[in-house]
Amino acid sequence: QVQLVQSGGEVVQPGGSLTLSCEASGLSFISFGMHWVRQTPGKGLQWVASIRNDGTGDFYGESVKGRLTVSRDNSRNTLYLQMNNLRPEDTGVYYCAKDRWRLTGSFDSWGQGALVIVSS
Amino acid sequence: VVMTQSPATLSVSPGERATLSCRASQNIDTNLAWYQQKPGQSPRLLIYDASTRASDIPARFSGSGSGTQFTLTITSLQSEDVAVYYCQQCNWPPYTFGQGTEVEIK
Repeated sequence: QVQLVQSGGEVVQPGGSLTLSCEASGLSFISFGMHWVRQTPGKGLQWVASIRNDGTGDFYGESVKGRLTVSRDNSRNTLYLQMNNLRPEDTGVYYCAKDRWRLTGSFDSWGQGALVIVSS
Repeated sequence: VVMTQSPATLSVSPGERATLSCRASQNIDTNLAWYQQKPGQSPRLLIYDASTRASDIPARFSGSGSGTQFTLTITSLQSEDVAVYYCQQCNWPPYTFGQGTEVEIK
């Protein structure tokens, strides 16, 4: 049974940094693309970033490009989201999600979510 | 690609059919997924490739459509189906979601 366990959500000041992590179990982690999706009261579900199964390619939403970086450590079955220069509009619940395969773009397992609040 | 869902809220009697619509602003073939999100829970994949049910999804959920028009149908609505349903285009990043349809029991 696939499990994605997240950690790292907290309150951060504008301009601050934070790293979210997502540890996977019950799967061959290196076989699957992975994604970050956030949910905000104003904009619903918003795709944030994706990374290929072997880490050779990453993709970002326009609003986070240059500030957020997705990475993975396949030896530790762990996905990361490094968040820099955070803005109040980055506030929301961040989910990690597993792709059905390499990068189909559909997400068949989700983490429990991590709440990030950007506020002074 | 902008995804537009309708209606925003759908009230259906138990045992009746619920029909949810999703429109894409451009052709996405069958690169569409549907998710269910219950209060306080993470989203759950229901349908991918527009019409293929994900693992362990009951047969009362079905998807159809291609191009720009898509439908999620819940035949014989159950109380446990109360949730918000999202469509998502999977054609290529940036992947985009619709704003959601809230399904409630009449």
